[in-house]
Amino acid sequence: GAVVSQHPSRVICKSGTSVKIECRSLDFQATTMFWYRQFPKQSLMLMATSNEGSKATYEQGVEKDKFLINHASLTLSTLTVTSAHPEDSSFYICSARGNAGGTEAFFGQGTRLTVV
Amino acid sequence: GENVEQHPSTLSVQEGDSAVIKCTYSDSASNYFPWYKQELGKRPQLIIDIRSNVGEKKDQRIAVTLNKTAKHFSLHITETQPEDSAVYFCAVQRNYGQNFVFGPGTRLSVLP
Repeated sequence: GAVVSQHPSRVICKSGTSVKIECRSLDFQATTMFWYRQFPKQSLMLMATSNEGSKATYEQGVEKDKFLINHASLTLSTLTVTSAHPEDSSFYICSARGNAGGTEAFFGQGTRLTVV
Repeated sequence: GENVEQHPSTLSVQEGDSAVIKCTYSDSASNYFPWYKQELGKRPQLIIDIRSNVGEKKDQRIAVTLNKTAKHFSLHITETQPEDSAVYFCAVQRNYGQNFVFGPGTRLSVLP
């Protein structure tokens, strides 16, 4: 199947700093990527939908100025957590679907963010 | 918006027994229903999926059944093995290209 690569897999940052997470589709073009957040023992909650070449669509309750999403190419989307706080500590995971048809979504490895 | 419920939240079975997890959804226009398996700290892995024009699909020990009228679908795992232990999520999609709405998950433990 298609491969989605997400980096870093784990990051620890100080409160108030920013962290960038990259999501790459390695062998297909992803016109749309989704960013999810997963708190311990909870489900995946959609944060935003990233569309190549246009602004991301954020879910209700997700601050777009805090979670900056850039989808500058068909193979790369980035999520930047700005001015991170301990409550932002979570597992962030992206998924992508190619533009060649098919409904299966492919997930990145996820990023464990810990804000201290 | 779509609301997906999943039961049970935890399930323990003896090795070799069957496990059944059920999900219900609210949007009758939803038409794609995948099941994901997630091991601790790892990405979700698609294990089986079903479209709205099919009532049942089977892949070796795993099967999914869909009742569109009642708006529920179920995951069936037969002859469970310890390596089946994980968290299982159902998901629902309305249209191609749209995001998935995930159920809250079921933690399955297969006891040797």
